[in-house]
Amino acid sequence: DGGITQSPKYLFRKEGQNVTLSCEQNLNHDAMYWYRQDPGQGLRLIYYSQIVNDFQKGDIAEGYSVSREKKESFPLTVTSAQKNPTAFYLCASGRGQGFEAFFGQGTRLTVV
Amino acid sequence: GNSVTQMEGPVTLSEEAFLTINCTYTATGYPSLFWYVQYPGEGLQLLLKATKADDKGSNKGFEATYRKETTSFHLEKGSVQVSDSAVYFCAPMTTSGGSNYKLTFGKGTLLTVNP
Repeated sequence: DGGITQSPKYLFRKEGQNVTLSCEQNLNHDAMYWYRQDPGQGLRLIYYSQIVNDFQKGDIAEGYSVSREKKESFPLTVTSAQKNPTAFYLCASGRGQGFEAFFGQGTRLTVV
Repeated sequence: GNSVTQMEGPVTLSEEAFLTINCTYTATGYPSLFWYVQYPGEGLQLLLKATKADDKGSNKGFEATYRKETTSFHLEKGSVQVSDSAVYFCAPMTTSGGSNYKLTFGKGTLLTVNP
């Protein structure tokens, strides 16, 4: 079945460690997005990408990094520079302007 | 820069009441406009959309009209049901230069409908 998959669903890391969240889609979508969802904050855009080997910073990119080496994959690394990394992270993909985005089920990251 | 302002909740209504959730945006050009919904325990899904001025998006009894002159995309439903209880997000898709399109979200409005 086509869809967008995030893994793992829950992730625990120690403070000071980098951690990479996986996002894979088999929908042949060009655009991919990473968001962070916190209570009362809605979804805040971290990074987005329209094509392979190109991506742009969103509104809260500091402390995060991404890569887009393949159309299907858009992994997000939460670095030790991110001051408050504990959150729910959502990945989405879409066909671009005018088209809806499809969301994964999310990864809940807890840093202790 | 681009931004979206959405009516803050929570909103509590009785079944069959009229619902309005306001949404305004700032953007250059002509963004596409979306409403997403997140039901309890589920992921985000598209509710409706409009891609040009004066278009009306509709789905499941919900409607929203793309108002370019007021940069608004208010969500309405004439008669809400208990099953409409969810969090609603307004989301404009704006250009950030060239062919790069940025999908941003409002803070979300929690709707609770009581029987």
